[in-house]
Amino acid sequence: KAGVTQTPRYLIKTRGQQVTLSCSPISGHRSVSWYQQTPGQGLQFLFEYFSETQRNKGNFPGRFSGRQFSNSRSEMNVSTLELGDSALYLCASSAGQGAVQETQYFGPGTRLLVL
Amino acid sequence: AQSVSQHNHHVILSEAASLELGCNYSYGGTVNLFWYVQYPGQHLQLLLKYFSGDPLVKGIKGFEAEFIKSKFSFNLRKPSVQWSDTAEYFCAGGRYGNNRLAFGKGNQVVVIP
Repeated sequence: KAGVTQTPRYLIKTRGQQVTLSCSPISGHRSVSWYQQTPGQGLQFLFEYFSETQRNKGNFPGRFSGRQFSNSRSEMNVSTLELGDSALYLCASSAGQGAVQETQYFGPGTRLLVL
Repeated sequence: AQSVSQHNHHVILSEAASLELGCNYSYGGTVNLFWYVQYPGQHLQLLLKYFSGDPLVKGIKGFEAEFIKSKFSFNLRKPSVQWSDTAEYFCAGGRYGNNRLAFGKGNQVVVIP
């Protein structure tokens, strides 16, 4: 099976702009989670989507949003970008059969640089 | 809130030395615990996981970890490291029935040939 794919791999934006990142989960996986990775804060959970619904949400401002489509592909959007949003954004997918004992598989990430 | 902590962020050791990385989690109840590895230039890969059962779990590439509930710990071990084990190692935990993972800050491990 193909792994989790994320596009684009690299992005450069300026403050105030918005950005949309895309994630395609492993075939058959229905849960998609997003994480932000920075040198200072490490890996932090953003949100999880399952069956097109947000199932979990981390402690990020409302500028960070996401959605999931019927084919389980997911997008996350960051509006009004700030310098501190520069990070590696990771997507992870799992089977989504109830999240009882699931393993998340990670994509390569999208590296966002905000100037 | 659930949290996971890792100590000794930078570890340098020689080939054939033994490796042990500590991981502690701060929340109670039934937990799911993971170790992920990130090799240079590559994405996060699962090393091993603990859900229930035998507290000693074996993963890929000769790694193992022991879940000690009384100590809220899930330490990673490898008896003899190789140069190819140079990577960053992350411990992560989640509550039973929840995909929201808390990650430790990671251990940067450098193995000198």
